[in-house]
Order: sequence, then structure tokens, then C-alpha cells
Amino acid sequence: DAGVTQSPTHLIKTRGQQVTLRCSPKSGHDTVSWYQQALGQGPQFIFQYYEEEERQRGNFPDRFSGHQFPNYSSELNVNALLLGDSALYLCASSLGPVGAYEQYFGPGTRLTVT
Amino acid sequence: GENVEQHPSTLSVQEGDSAVIKCTYSDSASNYFPWYKQELGKGPQLIIDIRSNVGEKKDQRIAVTLNKTAKHFSLHITETQPEDSAVYFCAAGPTGTASKLTFGTGTRLQVTL
Repeated sequence: DAGVTQSPTHLIKTRGQQVTLRCSPKSGHDTVSWYQQALGQGPQFIFQYYEEEERQRGNFPDRFSGHQFPNYSSELNVNALLLGDSALYLCASSLGPVGAYEQYFGPGTRLTVT
Repeated sequence: GENVEQHPSTLSVQEGDSAVIKCTYSDSASNYFPWYKQELGKGPQLIIDIRSNVGEKKDQRIAVTLNKTAKHFSLHITETQPEDSAVYFCAAGPTGTASKLTFGTGTRLQVTL
């Protein structure tokens, strides 16, 4: 049973560029949430996708956007990168936004903005 | 919004001793409280969770307690082993249509021989 997978593992971008991160949920899961984890901090919720729609959003600017595909995989896009966007980006999957609350995380994508 | 505080930030115990990590939350609407273990270079791993209709839950050497009145919940690890060394995060989540989790700032647990 495949767990949550994310790609790429590491990424280095220059300030002002755009980046796309990808996530495949755990088998049987249909909901994907994205979190940003700065060094030494707990993960912070960015947004959640269910049935190909953004269902909830955290306190992140519009530079952060996402998409969910019919196969439940998801992408996180960040435009106009800032140095402060350097972080570990985590994807978590769950079975629906209601009822089964367990969220399982992938290994993350380490983004470095120079 | 929800705010989760976690203490201590670092904890060092000898192998075989117990470790306790405490969290408090602010939003009374939260009713789901998971704990995650994060090893270096890896994503958080769900190790145990508890819901508001339960006061205590145990899984082998790990237990979690919840006091809804005081808005406190704690992680207890008994008979600690070197492989328990990691960063532990508590989190709180609401009921209803959202499964957003608000995380604490983490506790770095070091188990020494």
C-alpha cells in the first residue's frame, strides 16, 4: 500500500521565480492538504483540496495556489518567490474532510529560495 | 483561530525512563488531537490520536490523555528507547467540514543511553 508521495525531494529557486510541487495521496484517500514547515517550527496549514475544489485556506497570500486532479493527486504552486518561502512543504492526505480525520504526511519537498 | 502551545521545547531522558509532553489549545470547537513524530529529513508520522469523547488512549508504550475542561492534552512515552529520539508535535483539529490541523511548536526528545 503506497503512502503519500511528493516530488521533487529538493528544489532550489531564485527570488521572483515560480515553483510547482506535486503530491500523490495515500491509496484510498481523496483529500489533500498542504502545509509549510519553516525550520524549527510546526507545520502551518496552507489549504485543503477535496473533490477538486479548495475547501479551506490558511493565512497565506494568493501567491500560493493549488489544484487537485480527478485521480486525487495535487499540485501546489507558488508565484513570485520570496526568500521567506524557503521551507519544507508537506502534503497530507485523508479520507474526506468529514468523519475520518487522520491525516498522513508525505516526506516533503525542501524548497530553498536564493 | 486555534492556538496550540507545547511544552517543553526540548526534553532529555535516560533510556528506560518516561517522557511527558504537554499541550494546551484555545478553541473549544477542537475535538481531534493527534500526535506526530518527525525524524530528521522525514515528514511527520502519526503515532497516536484522541478524540474529545475519550479521556485516555494507550498503544503499547505510548499513551495520550485529554482534559477538555482545561483544554489540555498530553503524550506519555514509557520505557523510552534510543529510537524514540525525534521531534514530537501535538495538533488540534475541529469537527465539521474541515480537517485543518493546528500544530504546536514541537518538542525535541533526546533519549540517552
